[in-house]
Amino acid sequence: DVKVTQSSRYLVKRTGEKVFLECVQDMDHENMFWYRQDPGLGLRLIYFSYDVKMKEKGDIPEGYSVSREKKERFSLILESASTNQTSMYLCASTERRGGQPQHFGDGTRLSIL
Amino acid sequence: DAKTTQPPSMDCAEGRAANLPCNHSTISGNEYVYWYRQIHSQGPQYIIHGLKNNETNEMASLIITEDRKSSTLILPHATLRDTAVYYCIVRVAMTTDSWGKLQFGAGTQVVVTP
Repeated sequence: DVKVTQSSRYLVKRTGEKVFLECVQDMDHENMFWYRQDPGLGLRLIYFSYDVKMKEKGDIPEGYSVSREKKERFSLILESASTNQTSMYLCASTERRGGQPQHFGDGTRLSIL
Repeated sequence: DAKTTQPPSMDCAEGRAANLPCNHSTISGNEYVYWYRQIHSQGPQYIIHGLKNNETNEMASLIITEDRKSSTLILPHATLRDTAVYYCIVRVAMTTDSWGKLQFGAGTQVVVTP
């Protein structure tokens, strides 16, 4: 089975802090994604990566950056956390082969105080 | 990506089959049908996907009509742990953006009762 592991289920940080969210997948998938999910707004793509050291902006990249130094690991960074970044953050991965589904981690519920 | 329509909610008795409908009348020939579910406060869980043929795996069966304008997800023996929001998604799989973002609609809230 595909396993996507996010480093924390719950995280509380303060405004202005630099926050790191880690994601690791064990299926040698080329593509990895970071989403946030908010009530009434659904799933929104922040960044994705299709290879090591490659990244592409999604729909809402402002205030975020990412890092992919190894194929299995994709990190999301909140450069200076703000209260409007309080959300559920979801990591996903998929094979590059067309038609394959994305597999998600359990999510990190992040609260910025 | 084609728009999908699902009922907002449905109940199912434990042990019975749950049949979840999804309409996707504007589906294109190269679009797949994917089903996910999300249990409260957890990440979405992939269930099954298909293009034209019916599919079955250890979790569920997917029945796609011949004209591909609708599909049904079947949970053969629902358990209390199947209580979740179920999302039907239709998206292109073979373009340069084929591995791009997923977008979930409102989904169907399924409640399995004892």
